[in-house]
Amino acid sequence: DAGVIQSPRHEVTEMGQEVTLRCKPISGHNSLFWYRQTMMRGLELLIYFNNNVPIDDSGMPEDRFSAKMPNASFSTLKIQPSEPRDSAVYFCASSFTGLPGGNQPQHFGDGTRLSIL
Amino acid sequence: KQEVTQIPAALSVPEGENLVLNCSFTDSAIYNLQWFRQDPGKGLTSLLLIQSSQREQTSGRLNASLDKSSGRSTLYIAASQPGDSATYLCAVNFNKFYFGSGTKLNVKP
Repeated sequence: DAGVIQSPRHEVTEMGQEVTLRCKPISGHNSLFWYRQTMMRGLELLIYFNNNVPIDDSGMPEDRFSAKMPNASFSTLKIQPSEPRDSAVYFCASSFTGLPGGNQPQHFGDGTRLSIL
Repeated sequence: KQEVTQIPAALSVPEGENLVLNCSFTDSAIYNLQWFRQDPGKGLTSLLLIQSSQREQTSGRLNASLDKSSGRSTLYIAASQPGDSATYLCAVNFNKFYFGSGTKLNVKP
């Protein structure tokens, strides 16, 4: 089992640039979650998809953030334009039937450490 | 707003000690609760998942309990080892997942 794969592992870019984070969920999982982790706010859910459809994006901080899941094996989180306060570790997680009440655990990738200068 | 609190924030114990990590939450209407460990620079590794209808789950030296009525869960680690050193997070599913801020555990050889 390859696990959840995220890329890149590290990203350093200048403010104003577009940033794209990528995630490949575990094969067979039908729910995908994007999280952001900072020292100040801990781990926050940004958005989650079920069967490639966004179910809850209430955690997305601003219109500068967008997420897509064009197929069951790939998702992107995009920030445009990026700002220094977006610096954080972004995690992707997947599960099988991860809807509320779903009884399967979430599996996390190793994250993307994003630094906006 | 749902809140998940973990106490203590940090814990240092000698190897071999049994220990308890605490997680409390503000609403008893939960679907399930999941305990994770996070190593520095890494993602989260799932340890145990407890459904709302369950009272506890066990895996090896780990035992997690759930008391919905009091809004509490505990993670019990028996015979702690230096390899258990990590940050432990609990996540409560209220309809979406809310995470505690974690307990950073250091087990000294």
